[in-house]
Amino acid sequence: LAKTTQPISMDSYEGQEVNITCSHNNIATNDYITWYQQFPSQGPRFIIQGYKTKVTNEVASLFIPADRKSSTLSLPRVSLSDTAVYYCLVGNNNAGNMLTFGGGTRLMVKP
Amino acid sequence: NAGVTQTPKFQVLKTGQSMTLQCAQDMNHNSMYWYRQDPGMGLRLIYYSASEGTTDKGEVPNGYNVSRLNKREFSLRLESAAPSQTSVYFCASDRLNYGYTFGSGTRLTVV
Repeated sequence: LAKTTQPISMDSYEGQEVNITCSHNNIATNDYITWYQQFPSQGPRFIIQGYKTKVTNEVASLFIPADRKSSTLSLPRVSLSDTAVYYCLVGNNNAGNMLTFGGGTRLMVKP
Repeated sequence: NAGVTQTPKFQVLKTGQSMTLQCAQDMNHNSMYWYRQDPGMGLRLIYYSASEGTTDKGEVPNGYNVSRLNKREFSLRLESAAPSQTSVYFCASDRLNYGYTFGSGTRLTVV
């Protein structure tokens, strides 16, 4: 299972763009990169998934360089409600995919 | 609403007691998972089921058993609860390329 490294915490202000980078040096050829968001007392929620280059949805963008050894989750114009823990996971999409959650990044958005 | 339903939401057990945590999903997903999350930590995989009729150990299986009753239901059993099993338990299911869907969790305290 590929190990990931993320910053433990980040602070931002409302309206700013937030970029959270994740390192995954031993990512395998068939691994995807997935990001989850978790609010206190709730289960994690899927945000975005990608394999290479750039993926964008209504919530975030995911940037993956050519070597795929890192990825960056970009949250545009954050609000107070984006305060949460963000997890980067790496794994393949086969059935029974055992994803390993690291400690995540605690994002604090200030007014 | 479609999703993953966990019961109970809260439970207090005495050391040595047994209980079963229930999980059901109505999204026709093949794979289901049980995670535990200790305070301030990431999620750790206990057991998973890649498909109906199969189960496999995850990162921290000791002290737990599981049953994949049918495609919808995946239960987690604690045969003899210990204080070290005090945690929040999350059930999840997934569909290829769409990430995990998590339940709202069961907060278990063993005294």
